[in-house]
Amino acid sequence: SQQGEEDPQALSIQEGENATMNCSYKTSINNLQWYRQNSGRGLVHLILIRSNEREKHSGRLRVTLDTSKKSSSLLITASRAADTASYFCAPWENAGNMLTFGGGTRLMVKP
Amino acid sequence: GAGVSQSPSNKVTEKGKDVELRCDPISGHTALYWYRQSLGQGLEFLIYFQGNSAPDKSGLPSDRFSAERTGGSVSTLTIQRTQQEDSAVYLCASSLGTAGLTWYFGPGTRLTVT
Repeated sequence: SQQGEEDPQALSIQEGENATMNCSYKTSINNLQWYRQNSGRGLVHLILIRSNEREKHSGRLRVTLDTSKKSSSLLITASRAADTASYFCAPWENAGNMLTFGGGTRLMVKP
Repeated sequence: GAGVSQSPSNKVTEKGKDVELRCDPISGHTALYWYRQSLGQGLEFLIYFQGNSAPDKSGLPSDRFSAERTGGSVSTLTIQRTQQEDSAVYLCASSLGTAGLTWYFGPGTRLTVT
């Protein structure tokens, strides 16, 4: 199992602005998932993008995947104060059996 | 149930005591995982169960930690002779399987060892 590395570690923006978080990983994957964590509690699944997909949308979220660069990005458009949370990417290896998580990106959206 | 539940939500214990943390996964989910997260840190894998297979215990930090899953459903994580460094949020997650599917996390148990 491998760990995604999120960048930046912390991000502070004003409400209404867009937030972009990046994720890099090391080996071949089956899919990559993004999760959000509020206040150090349970993680909530946001979106899953498969290795044969390049872009996926869900509401104000846009995820891209570049398997040649082994990277993914999460874009949150028109951010809100409620988007303040930590965001984690979790790449799933082809032969994997668990998700591993990096340190995440701590996003703060100021009202 | 509607989601993964964990109990207790908070636990304060004295150093040296044993604690039991409980996880109720989503009904029908065959895979169950335990993680812990220290303050401001990422998630550290502890153990996972998949169906009737032997659990993967490779992430357990010491022999003071053990976990079981009864009847393929509820799981209990036990920490014996707790130490202050065991203080963390313990998270449980379940999934329909291990084939890269979506995971559903419980709200966690915040353990404080004094």
